[in-house]
Amino acid sequence: DAKTTQPNSMESNEEEPVHLPCNHSTISGTDYIHWYRQLPSQGPEYVIHGLTSNVNNRMASLAIAEDRKSSTLILHRATLRDAAVYYCILYRGSTLGRLYFGRGTQLTVWP
Amino acid sequence: NAGVTQTPKFQVLKTGQSMTLQCAQDMNHEYMSWYRQDPGMGLRLIHYSVGAGITDQGEVPNGYNVSRSTTEDFPLRLLSAAPSQTSVYFCASSYARSGGTEAFFGQGTRLTVV
Repeated sequence: DAKTTQPNSMESNEEEPVHLPCNHSTISGTDYIHWYRQLPSQGPEYVIHGLTSNVNNRMASLAIAEDRKSSTLILHRATLRDAAVYYCILYRGSTLGRLYFGRGTQLTVWP
Repeated sequence: NAGVTQTPKFQVLKTGQSMTLQCAQDMNHEYMSWYRQDPGMGLRLIHYSVGAGITDQGEVPNGYNVSRSTTEDFPLRLLSAAPSQTSVYFCASSYARSGGTEAFFGQGTRLTVV
């Protein structure tokens, strides 16, 4: 399975935008980029996913590089509730629902 | 909507005991999976299922069994608990789509084996 690389940790101040990077240089043409987050003492929570075009939803935006070797999850205005571990995961058709988690990025949000 | 329900939330076992972690979903999802999460680590896949009657192994299947007799339920059995199985266990479900869809996770079962 193609791997992703994320920084171990990032920090932000409340109400500021946050850009969480993810490198996936071995991505294949049919791999979708998924993002999940895990709040303390909870199960992971889906955030967003995309293939080639940038995607927006109520939680975040996903910016995908033109060569698809990297992507960035954008939280437009961080809140204290956004403090979590964020996971970037590649998903292809043969994945059959399986998700392969790395260590993710621990986001700290300061008031 | 109940979503994905896991029981129990906490469990303490003695080494060698067996038990079943329950997972149920009410969204008619085809895919279901079990993960374990050790401190400071990401989740690792134990077993997964693509539909009733169909299961397969994930990354760390040793010491665990699964079955899926219905779409809704996907229990995980620990055959003979060992301290190395102390972990938090998560069950997840999702629809079968080529690009993947939102996976829903349960709240987890925190298992301690002494």
